[in-house]
Amino acid sequence: QKEVEQDPGPLSVPEGAIVSLNCTYSNSAFQYFMWYRQYSRKGPELLMYTYSSGNKEDGRFTAQVDKSSKYISLFIRDSQPSDSATYLCAMSGANNLFFGTGTRLTVIP
Amino acid sequence: EADIYQTPRYLVIGTGKKITLECSQTMGHDKMYWYQQDPGMELHLIHYSYGVNSTEKGDLSSESTVSRIRTEHFPLTLESARPSHTSQYLCASSPTGAYGYTFGSGTRLTVV
Repeated sequence: QKEVEQDPGPLSVPEGAIVSLNCTYSNSAFQYFMWYRQYSRKGPELLMYTYSSGNKEDGRFTAQVDKSSKYISLFIRDSQPSDSATYLCAMSGANNLFFGTGTRLTVIP
Repeated sequence: EADIYQTPRYLVIGTGKKITLECSQTMGHDKMYWYQQDPGMELHLIHYSYGVNSTEKGDLSSESTVSRIRTEHFPLTLESARPSHTSQYLCASSPTGAYGYTFGSGTRLTVV
């Protein structure tokens, strides 16, 4: 079983839609949860960073963690074409991060 | 603007050649990492370092080696490249005590 499961998509939405991206995990020891955004031919960039269950909001982005269900989500409100990218969830282990496979998102103008 | 630099961006090389992928960061981060990324697959850690003269192998078995002689520099070397090494290699760094990594733009390696 993979440590982190993420639906690879692809996901296509019209501009202005609300996007929901999700990951599940199996290791209850994970404590820090991150979302990275990766544009084509670029490295991942840190988008959101959370610790413990609950919600964290940053502009149009909301990260949600439910440790009891081992489930994390990223919501994007009023999605824009510039949000088109691959979104990777990541969780902290003892020495490094464990990444999901990434969900490829396309926002259509 | 990137504070972590990887060169070359793209490399096509013949089987059996020795290659070194360069990674440098200007942020003074103690921790540095090398990840391998294939399409549709999660990032796999192949090497990491917690400081000068400290290197460890990651979860993914790799035939590469790394060195950390200076804080800012973390090169990865393949002694004899094989087609199975074809992949994207990402370098990252983070300060001690933090979990948010800064990634470079990657080196896309093709071994023919």
